[in-house]
Amino acid sequence: EAQVTQNPRYLITVTGKKLTVTCSQNMNHEYMSWYRQDPGLGLRQIYYSMNVEVTDKGDVPEGYKVSRKEKRNFPLILESPSPNQTSLYFCASNPISGSYEQYFGPGTRLTVT
Amino acid sequence: GDSVTQMEGPVTLSEEAFLTINCTYTATGYPSLFWYVQYPGEGLQLLLKATKADDKGSNKGFEATYRKETTSFHLEKGSVQVSDSAVYFCALSDAAGSQGNLIFGKGTKLSVKP
Repeated sequence: EAQVTQNPRYLITVTGKKLTVTCSQNMNHEYMSWYRQDPGLGLRQIYYSMNVEVTDKGDVPEGYKVSRKEKRNFPLILESPSPNQTSLYFCASNPISGSYEQYFGPGTRLTVT
Repeated sequence: GDSVTQMEGPVTLSEEAFLTINCTYTATGYPSLFWYVQYPGEGLQLLLKATKADDKGSNKGFEATYRKETTSFHLEKGSVQVSDSAVYFCALSDAAGSQGNLIFGKGTKLSVKP
């Protein structure tokens, strides 16, 4: 089954404690991205990657890092989380040809206290 | 830059009512247009899409027509059900841009009452 998986689904952590949210897709998509969803703000892109070792900033990259060492994986790293990073995070992937339909993971709800 | 504007919610309807959620866009190229739906507690999933002017996307009784002259992609359904309660996002992808980047509207929450 074609899918994007994220782990963990829920995470409560404390300010400053480094964390990683994993994302993996099995569709051989070149393009992957991370979004955060906040009430009243919709979806905002954090980082994206057009292929292995190619990443770039989205609209709200501050406080986040990413890496793309393998085509299927695109982890999101918070080196020193802060309460304003409490949010719902989605990973997505899509091919870079055709209609660019994006496939989304189930989401990770992060709370930073 | 490219942008998407959709009507603000929440929208509350009775079952079997007609639904319209407005979406307009600005884009320099020839984007593909999408409607995504997010059911409570879930991720986004594609509802329908249109890749060129005058195309009509349809799925699950929902329809939207790509209108280049009015830069619009309004979502419609003739008779909503309680199970349609969700948040709906309009989005565009500019093929001339960053090879797949989607730009989303802020979402419209729909509640359907029995």
